[in-house]
Amino acid sequence: DTGVSQDPRHKITKRGQNVTFRCDPISEHNRLYWYRQTLGQGPEFLTYFQNEAQLEKSRLLSDRFSAERPKGSFSTLEIQRTEQGDSAMYLCASSLVGTRGSYNEQFFGPGTRLTVL
Amino acid sequence: AQKITQTQPGMFVQEKEAVTLDCTYDTSDPSYGLFWYKQPSSGEMIFLIYQGSYDQQNATEGRYSLNFQKARKSANLVISASQLGDSAMYFCAMREGPNNAGNMLTFGGGTRLMVKP
Repeated sequence: DTGVSQDPRHKITKRGQNVTFRCDPISEHNRLYWYRQTLGQGPEFLTYFQNEAQLEKSRLLSDRFSAERPKGSFSTLEIQRTEQGDSAMYLCASSLVGTRGSYNEQFFGPGTRLTVL
Repeated sequence: AQKITQTQPGMFVQEKEAVTLDCTYDTSDPSYGLFWYKQPSSGEMIFLIYQGSYDQQNATEGRYSLNFQKARKSANLVISASQLGDSAMYFCAMREGPNNAGNMLTFGGGTRLMVKP
């Protein structure tokens, strides 16, 4: 399977605990995005990377959130001191930016569903 | 103001008939792209179709076509010959800036399509 993969698919945690999610993009893709989707809503942008550089962060990404893409391949999203409001689906997407003639569509992974009790 | 508006929370369509899902957008950037994604109950976002702001013709991909009316800032998705497998959430999204900037997507609230046998 050469699509975007995310791990774990489901995570249940207690309020106050730290959680970390992993995303493996499509191998040749240079851009990686994180989105959050709450029930019944469209995805909301959190942050994105160009290779290993984090280029933009949404104001939704509070100080408790941190994302990394250390070698420009996989990425991790960590949430510290989780709150019940963090319960959501966390989606990762990747794209290949810079290819002439391409419209650089983003390919999404299956998501990690986080439940904070 | 909302950047992407989908005014139909839910739609029913009879199998084999065509259906139009509405999307209006708001941007002052002359260069932008409009995307439609399908999200089945499994949760994965599936890319359907793309329309660039400078494209002269409406985009088509198989049974999907995009009715792009630039002056009205609308980008409606038309699905012809609906199938039971088309039952899902559909999201309209916009990327502001040129293709090679690879900026993040802004999503609408989605429309749930239900295909009746």
